[in-house]
Amino acid sequence: DAGVTQSPTHLIKTRGQQVTLRCSPKSGHDTVSWYQQALGQGPQFIFQYYEEEERQRGNFPDRFSGHQFPNYSSELNVNALLLGDSALYLCASSLGLAGLGGPYEQYFGPGTRLTVT
Amino acid sequence: QKEVEQDPGPLSVPEGAIVSLNCTYSNSAFQYFMWYRQYSRKGPELLMYTYSSGNKEDGRFTAQVDKSSKYISLFIRDSQPSDSATYLCASPTRRNQGGKLIFGQGTELSVKP
Repeated sequence: DAGVTQSPTHLIKTRGQQVTLRCSPKSGHDTVSWYQQALGQGPQFIFQYYEEEERQRGNFPDRFSGHQFPNYSSELNVNALLLGDSALYLCASSLGLAGLGGPYEQYFGPGTRLTVT
Repeated sequence: QKEVEQDPGPLSVPEGAIVSLNCTYSNSAFQYFMWYRQYSRKGPELLMYTYSSGNKEDGRFTAQVDKSSKYISLFIRDSQPSDSATYLCASPTRRNQGGKLIFGQGTELSVKP
């Protein structure tokens, strides 16, 4: 049973560039959430996708955008990169959306480490 | 004030010790609480979750919630070097525990042989 996969593993970009990160959810999961984890900090929620729509969004600027495909995989796009965007970007998958009842687990992928120089 | 606060440590203990990891939270609406373990350069792994107040035990791990003081704890018995990791507490912001998770900063634990 494949878990959450993310690509690429590492990425180095220059300020002002754009980057796309990819995530495939755990088999059977339909909801994808993205988090940013700065060094020494806990993950910060960016947004969540369900049924190809953004359902919740954290306190991140519009430079951060995403997409979910019919096969439930997802992309995170960041435009006009800043040095402060350097972090580990985590994708988490789960089954169902808030409100469907019952506790559910968010399974995290290994992350993509983005370095902006 | 952060919604979930956690002492970042680092915490160093000898093998076999009982470890106590703690978080405080400020939002009274939080009902579910999760503990994640994150090894270096890996994604967080869900250890266990608890609902409302009380204890939950899973092997060497016990999670405890005290809603009156807004305090959550994770106890590790007979700690092993393989328990060396960063431990993150988290809570979902919505009543039905889905969606956005609010994480603490994480506590780095080192168990020495």
